[in-house]
Amino acid sequence: ETGVTQTPRHLVMGMTNKKSLKCEQHLGHNAMYWYKQSAKKPLELMFVYNFKEQTENNSVPSRFSPECPNSSHLFLHLHTLQPEDSALYLCASSQLGLAGAEQFFGPGTRLTVL
Amino acid sequence: SQQGEEDPQALSIQEGENATMNCSYKTSINNLQWYRQNSGRGLVHLILIRSNEREKHSGRLRVTLDTSKKSSSLLITASRAADTASYFCATNKETSGSRLTFGEGTQLTVNP
Repeated sequence: ETGVTQTPRHLVMGMTNKKSLKCEQHLGHNAMYWYKQSAKKPLELMFVYNFKEQTENNSVPSRFSPECPNSSHLFLHLHTLQPEDSALYLCASSQLGLAGAEQFFGPGTRLTVL
Repeated sequence: SQQGEEDPQALSIQEGENATMNCSYKTSINNLQWYRQNSGRGLVHLILIRSNEREKHSGRLRVTLDTSKKSSSLLITASRAADTASYFCATNKETSGSRLTFGEGTQLTVNP
């Protein structure tokens, strides 16, 4: 889990709150990802950023808003979430130019929406 | 069924035994990767096997890939209690750039 950090590790929020998840990678990678992991479901890819540009949005509801200010930092802004959004949110990074290179994951943020 | 589907869903063995997990997929791939996840934590990359490779070893791990059957297996030899975790296969498709598609995982329990 070293190399990619995520904060906070745990977050409890109400449906009307606004919060942000932060991810930082110290590996010099140029691609970053947000995944959602719910119980008994495969990891769901949410967003992909290549060289700070969003290249993929997997039909994610607009209550999730990503931001990538530079190639080392990735945010996920949350607002008016639903209880079904409770899950483990994982950030990952990889090096583009290496086709299908391994991804390095952070420890995740456990989100609970009340 | 989904790209990257693991079998079995759960596996319970005794320490010292070997554990074998299988993964099937549907489309052509660049490579297939195996990851491990301890409960509620991030995923850790274990091994990557490219579409032109048939077998790869890393320590106690052995991965095979059969592109004709679109399947892969992960063998953990001489298992330890510390190997208890969820194991996921992930495929990188030829047309998807850096994107990985994960399966649902196999929960491995190694009993001391």
